Amino acid sequence: QVQLQESGPGLVQPSQTLSLTCTVSGASISSGGYHWSWIRQHPGKGLEWIGYIDYSGATNYNPSFKSRISISGDTSKNRFSLRLNSLTAADTAVYYCAGDPDTSGIGTFDYWGQGILVTVSS
Amino acid sequence: DIVMTQSPDSLAVSLGERATINCKSSHSVLFSSNNKNYLTWYQQKPGQPPKLLIYWASTRESGVPDRFSGSGSGTDFTLTISSLQAEDVAVYYCQQYYSTPYAFGQGTKLEIK
Repeated sequence: QVQLQESGPGLVQPSQTLSLTCTVSGASISSGGYHWSWIRQHPGKGLEWIGYIDYSGATNYNPSFKSRISISGDTSKNRFSLRLNSLTAADTAVYYCAGDPDTSGIGTFDYWGQGILVTVSS
Repeated sequence: DIVMTQSPDSLAVSLGERATINCKSSHSVLFSSNNKNYLTWYQQKPGQPPKLLIYWASTRESGVPDRFSGSGSGTDFTLTISSLQAEDVAVYYCQQYYSTPYAFGQGTKLEIK
């Protein structure tokens, strides 16, 4: 059973950089076919895909985040991370990590972490 | 970018009755090479992450009750719950994975009447 767990700060100051980590168990992040995404949900709102890193380390980002984001992987610890800089209050959201085994096309989110609420405030 | 629009925004249905949620994409999500629609449906209950229900527009994920069904092709899709159960109260989202950036509908809140 693939499980994901987000970790990171719950409160970040405006203009600072958010760093979140997703630790994966039950699958290797370098397993062929897997794509590992970050998705966020503003309070009481819908879902927004941020980007992914795949099993080879290749990344794909949502252009709406322009150059503010980077996603990286650490195969030695079987985890992947999100960095989002120049934070504003609009980045306040629950951040989820999700796993896609590419068994039904790349882009389905079969596995999810429980989510971490990040508040941007001074 | 593909925009996903769901209707209605909220829906109240009696227990045992049928619930129908619609999803429209701004661009076809049908891949001609394999004749598959790159459209998923998720269920999200309060305080929980979304759960994948259906992929390729009409294929149920393992373990999903057969009262859930998906249909449609191209740009117009439907999620149907044939006989609403109390545990089906949730917000439902469609999502296209035809192209990045992947996009979700705004969600449909399903309640008991």
